[in-house]
Amino acid sequence: QKEVEQDPGPLSVPEGAIVSLNCTYSNSAFQYFMWYRQYSRKGPELLMYTYSSGNKEDGRFTAQVDKSSKYISLFIRDSQPSDSATYLCAMSEGSARQLTFGSGTQLTVLP
Amino acid sequence: KAGVTQTPRYLIKTRGQQVTLSCSPISGHRSVSWYQQTPGQGLQFLFEYFSETQRNKGNFPGRFSGRQFSNSRSEMNVSTLELGDSALYLCASGARDPTDTQYFGPGTRLTVL
Repeated sequence: QKEVEQDPGPLSVPEGAIVSLNCTYSNSAFQYFMWYRQYSRKGPELLMYTYSSGNKEDGRFTAQVDKSSKYISLFIRDSQPSDSATYLCAMSEGSARQLTFGSGTQLTVLP
Repeated sequence: KAGVTQTPRYLIKTRGQQVTLSCSPISGHRSVSWYQQTPGQGLQFLFEYFSETQRNKGNFPGRFSGRQFSNSRSEMNVSTLELGDSALYLCASGARDPTDTQYFGPGTRLTVL
């Protein structure tokens, strides 16, 4: 079993929909939680970064971390076609440098 | 501020050869991490360098090695290439504080024939 599990999708939604992306993990030592967005043939781009449990909001994006359930989520409000990409969750223990990634969820937002 | 740069962007090699990839971090960043991305295994951590010292290493064979120079630029070397080494190799740049997150470059796509 992988340390981080992420539904690979693909996920297809209409423009304007609310998108929910999730990851579960088994390593209780994870403290830093991130969401990256990766467009085709590009490197991952950091979207959200959270330390420990709680919520964080940035524009249309909200990240939630529930350490008791070992579950993290990313919500995208008012989704746009430009949000079409692969979304990767990532997490780490004492340092944010050695990241363990989920397999990524491929999202398509239809105009 | 310029982002992370990686060279070359694309590379084709044959089995048994060796390859060297280069990464220049964001100006002022002293941490460089390397990751391998494949369709089957996803993104996997290779190693991290900070101030010319390897601080962490992932679960990869000794054929994978790296180094960092005094200007923080880093190189990654893969010897005796195998078909399974075909992947996108990503470099990530980080600031001094280990709790700071990382910023990825565009990657080098390596194809082994």
